[in-house]
Amino acid sequence: SFVLTQAPSVSVAPGETARITCGGNNIGIKSVHWTRQKAGQAPVEVIYNDSDRPSGIPERLSASNSGNTATLTISKVEAGDEADYFCQVWDTNTDHRVFGGGTKLTVL
Amino acid sequence: QVQLVESGGDVVQPGRSLRLSCAASGFTLSNFDMDWVRQAPGEGLEWVAILSSDGTTKHYADSVKGRFTISRDNSRNTMYLQMTSLTLQDTAVYYCAKNREGGSLDSWGQGTLVTVSS
Repeated sequence: SFVLTQAPSVSVAPGETARITCGGNNIGIKSVHWTRQKAGQAPVEVIYNDSDRPSGIPERLSASNSGNTATLTISKVEAGDEADYFCQVWDTNTDHRVFGGGTKLTVL
Repeated sequence: QVQLVESGGDVVQPGRSLRLSCAASGFTLSNFDMDWVRQAPGEGLEWVAILSSDGTTKHYADSVKGRFTISRDNSRNTMYLQMTSLTLQDTAVYYCAKNREGGSLDSWGQGTLVTVSS
């Protein structure tokens, strides 16, 4: 089955840029979606189809997908960005949705 | 606006059954693929099942296949997850989520807690 690998944690200072990666075998040919989950809350979609932002998600959040790595970039990080971020894809070989293990973003 | 409300979570003993509901408003369930996703305490998100918009295609995670059944009542605009032979490993918050075109989950409910304990 398809495996998505994320670093467990990333820490950045306010105003800096956070990069959260999602590794997978040839993930660049798949559509990658990103979900944010703040403490005690339900998940929220923040990026779909590799790099599209839903309405209400600020331009500070951007994403790319190529080769074996998809990347979520959060520029000018704010305290309110602190959350767990999960990447996900649909694995057409197994007809299963696959989530990465999640990355906890800590704002120092 | 789109709203998803899960219910039915409870404390149950191992081996028992439980049915979760996901009531949708602001859109018609039968127009979209819908998922169940769960999250064990302190863990990440785990996909459980998907139901196609036309109701004919269902896929399940290996961990629940043969034990869980996803279904929908169009007249109630409600989706269900029938869970049988529950084990301690099924303890989690269960979320229902709506698919957008392309497969992302663009709307999530607040979740319902299932605790399997003897």
